[in-house]
Amino acid sequence: QVQLVESGGGVVPPGGSLRLSCRASGIIFKTYVMHWVRQAPGKGLEWVASISYDGSDEDYVDSVKGRFTVSRDNSRNTLYLQLSSLTPEDTAVYYCAKEGVFRGLDFWGQGTLVTVSS
Amino acid sequence: DIQMTQSPSSLSASVGDRVTITCRASQGISTYLSWYQQKPGTPPRLLIYGASTLQSGVPSRFSGSGSETDFTLTISTLQPEDFTSYYCQQNYRTPPTFGGGTKVEIK
Repeated sequence: QVQLVESGGGVVPPGGSLRLSCRASGIIFKTYVMHWVRQAPGKGLEWVASISYDGSDEDYVDSVKGRFTVSRDNSRNTLYLQLSSLTPEDTAVYYCAKEGVFRGLDFWGQGTLVTVSS
Repeated sequence: DIQMTQSPSSLSASVGDRVTITCRASQGISTYLSWYQQKPGTPPRLLIYGASTLQSGVPSRFSGSGSETDFTLTISTLQPEDFTSYYCQQNYRTPPTFGGGTKVEIK
């Protein structure tokens, strides 16, 4: 079955950096567009970034442009999100998700919590 | 960016009720609209994609309709496990924006 497993979350001070990982299994990872979506505590869902199947194209929400970088290693079936210049507003659970038909996000990881606090 | 306005933000209903949630896009998005269900402490679950196609494994009491700017999610007969939060998302143009969510509560 499809599994997406995130890791790398934790507590980081303002201005700090972190790298999140999402390891995929049960899918031909290299054929799918992948996304990161976050959810601040008690809030709704916010799309963060996406990357094309071969890593040649990336997109970001305006609030993270220049601070976050999405990448992938298809040989390791792994998606990454490099977070830098973090602010308390970046505190959230970060989910990775696989894009399916009509661009719906059909499989999600369990999420990893990033807390930005001094 | 395309804004997604979801309503109501919350509603109270009883088991067996018919429930409708609406989502309005700030511009036409064809049928590039998905609906998700999210229970506390768990990731979202895709219910419907392409505005009206039921994701595999989703009960048939869920249905979606609409196109361009106006969309609805209907739960025909509310079950106890359906009392949770729902989100729409447009997938037409980047960034793929979400609605603010609807919390379905027990009356």
